[in-house]
Amino acid sequence: RKEVEQDPGPFNVPEGATVAFNCTYSNSASQSFFWYRQDCRKEPKLLMSVYSSGNEDGRFTAQLNRASQYISLLIRDSKLSDSATYLCVVNEAGRRALTFGSGTRLQVQP
Amino acid sequence: GAGVSQTPSNKVTEKGKYVELRCDPISGHTALYWYRQSLGQGPEFLIYFQGTGAADDSGLPNDRFFAVRPEGSVSTLKIQRTERGDSAVYLCASGFRLSANTGELFFGEGSRLTVL
Repeated sequence: RKEVEQDPGPFNVPEGATVAFNCTYSNSASQSFFWYRQDCRKEPKLLMSVYSSGNEDGRFTAQLNRASQYISLLIRDSKLSDSATYLCVVNEAGRRALTFGSGTRLQVQP
Repeated sequence: GAGVSQTPSNKVTEKGKYVELRCDPISGHTALYWYRQSLGQGPEFLIYFQGTGAADDSGLPNDRFFAVRPEGSVSTLKIQRTERGDSAVYLCASGFRLSANTGELFFGEGSRLTVL
């Protein structure tokens, strides 16, 4: 079983739509969580951290459910520029490396 | 430049050859990571340096892979006797020490390795 699992997509949505991605992680000792964004043939970049109480950054909302070992990302009012792969990322307790999921591809269409 | 710099950006080699990939991290970043990414997959951890020492090399797939960071800045990933399965994008990232609240790694654009 992979440490971090995501639906690969693609998610094809029209501009203005709301879309949600989910991610599950296997190690209950994981202590911090993030979403990274990766554009086609580009390097990954941090989108946002995910806090236990949930957090919002503009049109983006991240949620964490430790009991279910589940992380989500909600994007409201999708823009064409949101088209990218969204990587769910976990930092396990005691490790200094980030573990990445395979990513969920989003395609926002005009 | 201010970002993580990786060279070469592309490397084509033949099976069995030796390859070196170089990473120049952001100045002042103490942590340096090597990941590799295959098509359709997320980055896969290889090795982590804190300063000059390899603090975690648990991701190196076998003893053909080795990395150094002799002066705590530039790092070189070395691959011996390359195999076709080594073909991937090798990503270098730098940052400060990871904590529960700080998960930002700054990635370079990667070195695309193709083994024929």
